[in-house]
Amino acid sequence: QVQLVESGGGVVQPGRSLRLSCAASGFTFTRYGMHWVRQAPGKGLEWVAFIQNHGNLEYFADSVKGRFAISRDNSKNTVFLQMNSLRAEDTAMYYCVTENSAIIIGRFDWWGPGTLVTVSS
Amino acid sequence: QSALTQPPSASGSPGQSVTISCTGISSDVGGQDHVTWYQQHPGKAPKLVIYEVSKRPSGVPDRFSGSKSGNAASLTVSGLQTEDEADYYCSSYGGTNNVIFGGGTRLTVL
Repeated sequence: QVQLVESGGGVVQPGRSLRLSCAASGFTFTRYGMHWVRQAPGKGLEWVAFIQNHGNLEYFADSVKGRFAISRDNSKNTVFLQMNSLRAEDTAMYYCVTENSAIIIGRFDWWGPGTLVTVSS
Repeated sequence: QSALTQPPSASGSPGQSVTISCTGISSDVGGQDHVTWYQQHPGKAPKLVIYEVSKRPSGVPDRFSGSKSGNAASLTVSGLQTEDEADYYCSSYGGTNNVIFGGGTRLTVL
């Protein structure tokens, strides 16, 4: 069965960096794009970033563009989210999510349990 | 691009039906059929319940149905059960290599 396991969350000071990882298993990783979606405490869902199946195209929400980077290692079935210049408003649970296609269509079939990022001094 | 508009709350008694609306614009909800719905129980990750406006993934009860008219999509839960009490989010491909979510609707089973 599909399994997604995020790691790398924690407490970080404003302006610092953090790198999240997501280990995937149970499906053919190279066939599908991958997303990161976040949810601030008590708030709704916010799409963050997408990477195409072979890692050649990436898209970002305006709120993180220029600060976050997404990448993947298809040899290790892992996707990453590099978060730089972190702000208090980046505090959220970050979910690793599968796309149902190689390209972005916004169908989130499988979700990891999430990793919590807290930006605070 | 703004978030999709959902009512903050909805409710119904066991056995009844409830419909949750999701309003966007012509470039997102109204412009294509990549409209999806997610169910989220407290402390859990969201779960896909409807994709491509009206299709149900394997394992999702047929009590869940979706539809769309113009720039508005809807999720209907029929024969409400206590386990249906959760937050529900709609989302849509935004048209410019992005994805947009609604603000979420808390469904209470009375």
